[in-house]
Amino acid sequence: GENVEQHPSTLSVQEGDSAVIKCTYSDSASNYFPWYKQELGKRPQLIIDIRSNVGEKKDQRIAVTLNKTAKHFSLHITETQPEDSAVYFCAASISNSGYALNFGKGTSLLVTP
Amino acid sequence: DAGVIQSPRHEVTEMGQEVTLRCKPISGHDYLFWYRQTMMRGLELLIYFNNNVPIDDSGMPEDRFSAKMPNASFSTLKIQPSEPRDSAVYFCASRGSGRKDTQYFGPGTRLTVL
Repeated sequence: GENVEQHPSTLSVQEGDSAVIKCTYSDSASNYFPWYKQELGKRPQLIIDIRSNVGEKKDQRIAVTLNKTAKHFSLHITETQPEDSAVYFCAASISNSGYALNFGKGTSLLVTP
Repeated sequence: DAGVIQSPRHEVTEMGQEVTLRCKPISGHDYLFWYRQTMMRGLELLIYFNNNVPIDDSGMPEDRFSAKMPNASFSTLKIQPSEPRDSAVYFCASRGSGRKDTQYFGPGTRLTVL
């Protein structure tokens, strides 16, 4: 099936630094790319998403960029805080599926004070 | 809105037993998804429904797994017989059919098969 590759698998940054997580996808027909944050023992929660007609989207300290030609998209978190520590998942819509998603394997982000 | 509701939240059972996981999607949502999450395999889509009809079950690992959606407000995922390798967190998610709608996850069911 189609894959979503996510890197890095773990990321440790100091409070106040930026964090970048990158994903690539293989389904050229994918047109929706959400990012989810999952805290330990909790459900994944949507933090930001981007659709294929947009190259960049920003929401306060979080931004996502999309390069459809290269089939990759990235999550950028600026001015990181300890409460940003969590596992982050990228996902890409499965073509001809309605709205089903393929998820990356996740990035465990640790923000140290 | 109560969000997506799943039950039970935790299930411990012995190998060979039947397990039934339940999900109530957000009212008005047309799509319902079942995922399995493990450390090794991450979040895997098992099956999804649109308007109570199963659309794609290619992610269901074996015939031991089955899912139903008898009405718009209820779905079940059944494992019979269960095996230790089925131990995982099972999430249900739902979304509306609008282009700008998003997928919301339930709290998950942590299944342990001994």
